[in-house]
Amino acid sequence: EAAVTQSPRNKVTVTGGNVTLSCRQTNSHNYMYWYRQDTGHGLRLIHYSYGAGNLQIGDVPDGYKATRTTQEDFFLLLELASPSQTSLYFCASSEGQGASDYTFGSGTRLLVI
Amino acid sequence: QQQVRQSPQSLTVWEGGTTVLTCSYEDSTFNYFPWYQQFPGEGPALLISILSVSDKKEDGRFTTFFNKREKKLSLHIIDSQPGDSATYFCAASLNNAGAKLTFGGGTRLTVRP
Repeated sequence: EAAVTQSPRNKVTVTGGNVTLSCRQTNSHNYMYWYRQDTGHGLRLIHYSYGAGNLQIGDVPDGYKATRTTQEDFFLLLELASPSQTSLYFCASSEGQGASDYTFGSGTRLLVI
Repeated sequence: QQQVRQSPQSLTVWEGGTTVLTCSYEDSTFNYFPWYQQFPGEGPALLISILSVSDKKEDGRFTTFFNKREKKLSLHIIDSQPGDSATYFCAASLNNAGAKLTFGGGTRLTVRP
């Protein structure tokens, strides 16, 4: 079954710490996305990619890096984590051709203390 | 500035009642409008979507309405059930390759038995 799998499910780190969130999709989709979800703000796009080696900047990119190593794998990196990055992070994939459905993972809850 | 606004932020209805969620958007070039449903502990999943060439789309108990002139859309749920309790996101994008979705802030719906 096609899916988007995120890891870890939960993560706690200290301020200034280094965090990598992982995402793998088996949908054969071209596009992958990283969103953060915060109450009152909905889902906000951090970075996205349309293929291996490609990276596009989203709407809230500050403090985040991302890398798409393969068609299947997309990583979100927080190199100097701050408490403001405490959030629920979602990865998604889509075909990217016109009005196409996004398939979301189950999320990673990150706490920066 | 939020490009997609959703209201209300939270809503409680009785089982069997009709739920109405609303959404407005800024960018008049948007022409694809999906609604996503998210249960606790899960990622959002596509519920129903509409293109700007239509003013209504129905799927079982769920109907979405689109008003191009007022740049508004709504989601109606008839015979609301406790299992419909979830967070609902409207979203908008262009209907072309690589277009990214912009999400509203979400509405948390509770349906009481």
